[in-house]
Amino acid sequence: KQEVTQIPAALSVPEGENLVLNCSFTDSAIYNLQWFRQDPGKGLTSLLLIQSSQREQTSGRLNASLDKSSGRSTLYIAASQPGDSATYLCAVRLEYGNKLVFGAGTILRVKS
Amino acid sequence: NAGVTQTPKFQVLKTGQSMTLQCAQDMNHEYMSWYRQDPGMGLRLIHYSVGAGITDQGEVPNGYNVSRSTTEDFPLRLLSAAPSQTSVYFCASSYSAARETFNEQFFGPGTRLTVL
Repeated sequence: KQEVTQIPAALSVPEGENLVLNCSFTDSAIYNLQWFRQDPGKGLTSLLLIQSSQREQTSGRLNASLDKSSGRSTLYIAASQPGDSATYLCAVRLEYGNKLVFGAGTILRVKS
Repeated sequence: NAGVTQTPKFQVLKTGQSMTLQCAQDMNHEYMSWYRQDPGMGLRLIHYSVGAGITDQGEVPNGYNVSRSTTEDFPLRLLSAAPSQTSVYFCASSYSAARETFNEQFFGPGTRLTVL
């Protein structure tokens, strides 16, 4: 059974700091991995999607990497801002079917 | 496009009551799904549909029914609400159910359900 773990569970950093969020998964048979942002009381907003054949994706200050063989992904946020404060979720899409398996998320707080 | 919409945003039920959570998308997406989100557990798949007339169970289907009579709508029915169904429910959709396509999933804003 695929399990997805996100470390740390919570992170508090000063504004301007670069930071890394970690996501690990137990079964490397994934089709892609997606990072989401969730603001309190809101839905999920897709940030980046990495296909299993790719190593990384970039969007603005965000960079996500994927090492499928070791079961790891990282989300790098450069020059963090208070507006980045949210919960960040990673989810893997299994090779068999269209199901997403989610991690529990990392709660990020960027202090001004 | 309105994207994925869900109604209601909030709902309080008594144990044993039934209700339907509505989900609609206007992107002509083939694949739709329902998740529940509980503290510390991430999102878990309840039911999903790969197209009109086709539904299947996810990880936690007990106590829920779904139907997909049109491409746009995918309602989730709680048959007899229980306190364990207190959660936030999210509907999601993606363009295709086929593995080979670029399949980013889009989520609705959620329905916060409390069962007393």
